[in-house]
Amino acid sequence: GAVVSQHPSRVICKSGTSVKIECRSLDFQATTMFWYRQFPKQSLMLMATSNEGSKATYEQGVEKDKFLINHASLTLSTLTVTSAHPEDSSFYICSASPGQVKNIQYFGAGTRLSVL
Amino acid sequence: GEDVEQSLFLSVREGDSSVINCTYTDSSSTYLYWYKQEPGAGLQLLTYIFSNMDMKQDQRLTVLLNKKDKHLSLRIADTQTGDSAIYFCAESLTGSARQLTFGSGTQLTVLP
Repeated sequence: GAVVSQHPSRVICKSGTSVKIECRSLDFQATTMFWYRQFPKQSLMLMATSNEGSKATYEQGVEKDKFLINHASLTLSTLTVTSAHPEDSSFYICSASPGQVKNIQYFGAGTRLSVL
Repeated sequence: GEDVEQSLFLSVREGDSSVINCTYTDSSSTYLYWYKQEPGAGLQLLTYIFSNMDMKQDQRLTVLLNKKDKHLSLRIADTQTGDSAIYFCAESLTGSARQLTFGSGTQLTVLP
């Protein structure tokens, strides 16, 4: 089946530092990847849609300069949380959609970010 | 607008059937999905149904879609303790560039 690998699974950092999270599709090419944020006991909130070779599309209220997304290849998208603050602490989940199978998203295992 | 709703909690006895319900408001949904999330993990795609289908069965899972009432359900037969998790329904709209709208999730607890 389709596998999406997300790293790291957990990161603890100091306030003001930047953190990069990687999302890789291991056995398929992902023309579109998605980044979500999930607060405790809540649903997933879409942050941005990442298309290979073009700029990401951010949802309303998500700061693009704060959450930098790069989708340089068909198998890799990265999310960089710049100048992280405690309020950025959350569970970040990526998903990838195979180019040949529309409307299906496969999810990574998520990254737990804790900003001290 | 898009709105997907689920009840927050469901408890069942091991071996019984579980039925998790979901309602949605947008009639232009093309695909509807069920995802499972275990603690501290990402989402696992369980099954999905195209909007022109009424029912889909896959081993212990049965999905029923009532398009008229905009109601989706997931039935898990012979529920096991390993089925304890949060179950999210989600919809994908026509022309939405594959974006998904998720419900709030239903916490399924399987009691021994």
